[in-house]
Amino acid sequence: GEEVAQTPKHLVRGEGQKAKLYCAPIKGHSYVFWYQQVLKNEFKFLISFQNENVFDETGMPKERFSAKCLPNSPCSLEIQATKLEDSAVYFCASSQRNVGDYGYTFGSGTRLTVV
Amino acid sequence: AQRVTQPEKLLSVFKGAPVELKCNYSYSGSPELFWYVQYSRQRLQLLLRHISRESIKGFTADLNKGETSFHLKKPFAQEEDSAMYYCALSGKAGNTGKLIFGQGTTLQVKP
Repeated sequence: GEEVAQTPKHLVRGEGQKAKLYCAPIKGHSYVFWYQQVLKNEFKFLISFQNENVFDETGMPKERFSAKCLPNSPCSLEIQATKLEDSAVYFCASSQRNVGDYGYTFGSGTRLTVV
Repeated sequence: AQRVTQPEKLLSVFKGAPVELKCNYSYSGSPELFWYVQYSRQRLQLLLRHISRESIKGFTADLNKGETSFHLKKPFAQEEDSAMYYCALSGKAGNTGKLIFGQGTTLQVKP
């Protein structure tokens, strides 16, 4: 499709529970990016993929966070043992080629609330 | 260090007034700059890219390397321009596609 589809829209987890977020990029887009936005502040880059390969993971917290993009499946971002500070909106974006040529197309985000 | 600064959290103007949303950046190489916009209850969408030098919805932005700025301008604001605006930077050298965003500016256009 022509939209980046993120599910679920909202997710509530108790502290210590696992959270799994999904992102279906636009068909034909090779690059997928995950960003975290806390309290409507800056977007913090987490990780990017080129097809199923990790392209840049410099923003990923070393513990608890993991992500995958497998062929013929939505990409996923998983947070093990969630903490209160993980409460944020998680945005996925996809791009056909180099971001300088096209910019990104963003999904509508998943709002994660950890209680 | 790479950084994007949008000094104004909120910019409030009357309809028909000129608008300038400020964006300054810090980057040692040759950057690629973007403006993204988020209208109420909609997803973030690309508004402008500096490499295309286009005008979208009456908005323009010029890259000023001397002042390291990429301010967004519109001569006559419309109420439908009310939204959150984010300036973003991507580096060309070793580009992994990662965007660095500013803090965002809320533009409020009053009737």
